[in-house]
Formats: sequence, structure tokens, C-alpha cells
Amino acid sequence: EAQVTQNPRYLITVTGKKLTVTCSQNMNHEYMSWYRQDPGLGLRQIYYSMNVEVTDKGDVPEGYKVSRKEKRNFPLILESPSPNQTSLYFCASSLDGRTSLDNEQFFGPGTRLTVL
Amino acid sequence: QKEVEQDPGPLSVPEGAIVSLNCTYSNSAFQYFMWYRQYSRKGPELLMYTYSSGNKEDGRFTAQVDKSSKYISLFIRDSQPSDSATYLCAMSGGAQKLVFGQGTRLTINP
Repeated sequence: EAQVTQNPRYLITVTGKKLTVTCSQNMNHEYMSWYRQDPGLGLRQIYYSMNVEVTDKGDVPEGYKVSRKEKRNFPLILESPSPNQTSLYFCASSLDGRTSLDNEQFFGPGTRLTVL
Repeated sequence: QKEVEQDPGPLSVPEGAIVSLNCTYSNSAFQYFMWYRQYSRKGPELLMYTYSSGNKEDGRFTAQVDKSSKYISLFIRDSQPSDSATYLCAMSGGAQKLVFGQGTRLTINP
């Protein structure tokens, strides 16, 4: 089954304790992206990757890191989490970086992160 | 001012009603317009995808884009309880960077 998977689905942690949220896709997609979803703000892009070893900042990159060493994986790293990073996080992937009617973004199931 | 504005609702209607969901935007470079549906505790899934102005119909769903007014709409006919979800509009200027509205929470009451 074609899908985007994220782990963990739920995480409660404390301020300053490094964490990684994994994202994996099995569709051989070149483009991958991370979003955070907050009430009243919708989804906002954190980082994106056009291909292996190619990453760039989205609209809200502060406090986050990413890496893209393999095509299928795109982990999100919070080196020193703070309470304002409490949010619902989504990973997404698409065939490539173009926008076209046959190139939709597929989203993972989400990771709910709470930073105390 | 946000690039994309969407009334967050919540919106509650009886089963069988016609539902109208709307977004306005300010960036005239947007050319691709999408509606995503998000069920509780799930990721968004693409519902409708249109390019430039005009209408697109898919079953009970119709997406309309009016670029001159910078206004897009999603109509749901014969609404069903299974349509209860959050609906997100999203837009793009040609790359995969999507700009989302805040989402409208919709409940269809049996």
C-alpha cells in the first residue's frame, strides 16, 4: 500500500530533551516536506526537500533540523524542544517539486507532540 | 494579513443540505487550488484539485475558482454524516510549496 508513515504518533517530552520524528514514504517520491498544524493557523511548512541531500527552509524553520540521506526517509529533529513547539506535525511527499494536477502531496497520519 | 483566509467555523448542517465552504486569498501568483479533507486524528487527503479559474465537479463535490475576485469555493451536495471533517483550502503558485487556509470544521447532523 502506498503510504507515508510517521513515528511516533504521540510524544510527550520535556523542554530541552532532543527528539527525532521519523518520516518514511514507499512511493519513490523525490519531494518531501514537514508541516505543523496549530489551531487558527492551519498548516505551515517547516522544511522541505527536493531530493536526496537537498533541503531548504519553509515558513517556520526556527528550532528544527532535517536531513535527507535516503530518498524514502526525511526525519525531523528538535535538538532542544520548547513548549512553543507543542503542535501536530505532518510529513508529506509528492512525485517531485513541480505543481501539476497529477502531482498531489500525500500526507502522513500526524505526530502529536507535547513539550512540557 | 494572511495570504489565505478561511472561516474556521465550526459549521453544522442537517444531512442532505448543500454546504458551501470558501477561501479568499491575496497572492495573485496562485494558480493551483486544492481542497483537502481531514478526518479527526488523520492526515489531510486531497479532495479536489483545480488549475486557474473555472469549475470542477466530482460526484457530490464542486470546486469553483474565481481568480478575478481571489475567491475559491467548495460545494457539497446531498451532504452525508461521513462528510463531517475539517476542510482545508490550499494554494500554490507553481511549486510544491502549498499555502493553507485555517481549515473549516464541518459537522453533518443525521
